[in-house]
Amino acid sequence: GAVVSQHPSWVICKSGTSVKIECRSLDFQATTMFWYRQFPKQSLMLMATSNEGSKATYEQGVEKDKFLINHASLTLSTLTVTSAHPEDSSFYICSAIAGDIPHNEQFFGPGTRLTVL
Amino acid sequence: KNEVEQSPQNLTAQEGEFITINCSYSVGISALHWLQQHPGGGIVSLFMLSSGKKKHGRLIATINIQEKHSSLHITASHPRDSAVYICAVNTDKLIFGTGTRLQVFP
Repeated sequence: GAVVSQHPSWVICKSGTSVKIECRSLDFQATTMFWYRQFPKQSLMLMATSNEGSKATYEQGVEKDKFLINHASLTLSTLTVTSAHPEDSSFYICSAIAGDIPHNEQFFGPGTRLTVL
Repeated sequence: KNEVEQSPQNLTAQEGEFITINCSYSVGISALHWLQQHPGGGIVSLFMLSSGKKKHGRLIATINIQEKHSSLHITASHPRDSAVYICAVNTDKLIFGTGTRLQVFP
């Protein structure tokens, strides 16, 4: 089946620093990738949708200047949390859709746990 | 009211029991997903349904489009089935339920 990886799997950083999270589709080309955030014991919340070669579409309430998304190739999307604060500590999950797999079937990455001190 | 409601929120079972998790939704959808999230956080897609019933091993998922309801069944449950099971519906994006935390004891 389709595999999506994320790197790193966990990261601890100091407040004010920036953190980059990578999401890769390993065996397919991802026309669209999604970034989600999940706080403890809560549901996944969509942050943004990124399409290869174009600007990401952010959900209401998500600051695009704080959460920079780049989808420069069909197999890689990155999420950069800029000037991280403790309230950004969360579990970040990406997913991807392939153009040649049934419409809207999403394949999820294993997630990245971010802790901001 | 959430657009996707799951019940129960928490479920404990003895190994071997038959388990049912329910999902109701209030929006028009193109498909419904059942996902499994293990304690480490990784998510596995179990099923994507737009009608009828699907079976994979000990897992069965059904959907009734008219009633806007889906169920996930686990037969002969096992401790390794312990996880959070999440229902998600496709509108123009995925909308997630809050999940059902399942613990299966030996």
